Amino acid sequence: DQQVKQNSPSLSVQEGRISILNCDYTNSMFDYFLWYKKYPAEGPTFLISISSIKDKNEDGRFTVFLNKSAKHLSLHIVPSQPGDSAVYFCAAIIQGAQKLVFGQGTRLTINP
Amino acid sequence: DTEVTQTPKHLVMGMTNKKSLKCEQHMGHRAMYWYKQKAKKPPELMFVYSYEKLSINESVPSRFSPECPNSSLLNLHLHALQPEDSALYLCASSLRFGQGVLDTQYFGPGTRLTVL
Repeated sequence: DQQVKQNSPSLSVQEGRISILNCDYTNSMFDYFLWYKKYPAEGPTFLISISSIKDKNEDGRFTVFLNKSAKHLSLHIVPSQPGDSAVYFCAAIIQGAQKLVFGQGTRLTINP
Repeated sequence: DTEVTQTPKHLVMGMTNKKSLKCEQHMGHRAMYWYKQKAKKPPELMFVYSYEKLSINESVPSRFSPECPNSSLLNLHLHALQPEDSALYLCASSLRFGQGVLDTQYFGPGTRLTVL
């Protein structure tokens, strides 16, 4: 049972435009959501997180939006840069279960 | 500094070998994790240590043996592995682990393991 889903395996965006990566979840008990970025042959790098009590968190070019009623979160990157090309994982955690659950990842390619 | 280091970067071993993966962090984190990641899949949790004690074992086969000698170090001892154990092994750490805790996990670069 995939509790965190990233339905788009890949996304291509032109440099300078906005990249929007989506993530859906099924478990309403998730308390905290994170986005990680992963380059090939490297470990995931933490990007940004959001608590379930908020609907938006911004850090520089990265903004995460949370829609609890729709069980949906998204990561906006603007403007997109070539160095943003990577696989992006959405992850969620339930305070009680103490376990990070990852989505399948979305490969973002930024085209010049 | 949010750095988690892992050695070796790459490891090739036969099914009868014994080898160890090492992970180190100096962020004062008291929780450390081992994950396994197969190609085009998300990381899967294997073990969690909290204050040097094993808190979670996700039903991992005994050919994988974790060890946490101190709060900065985490080892994964490997013995009699199978070719299907070939994967990227990731170490992570967080400030704390436990009920009511929502601390961010920081990952190392991983060890690419190939079992022949």
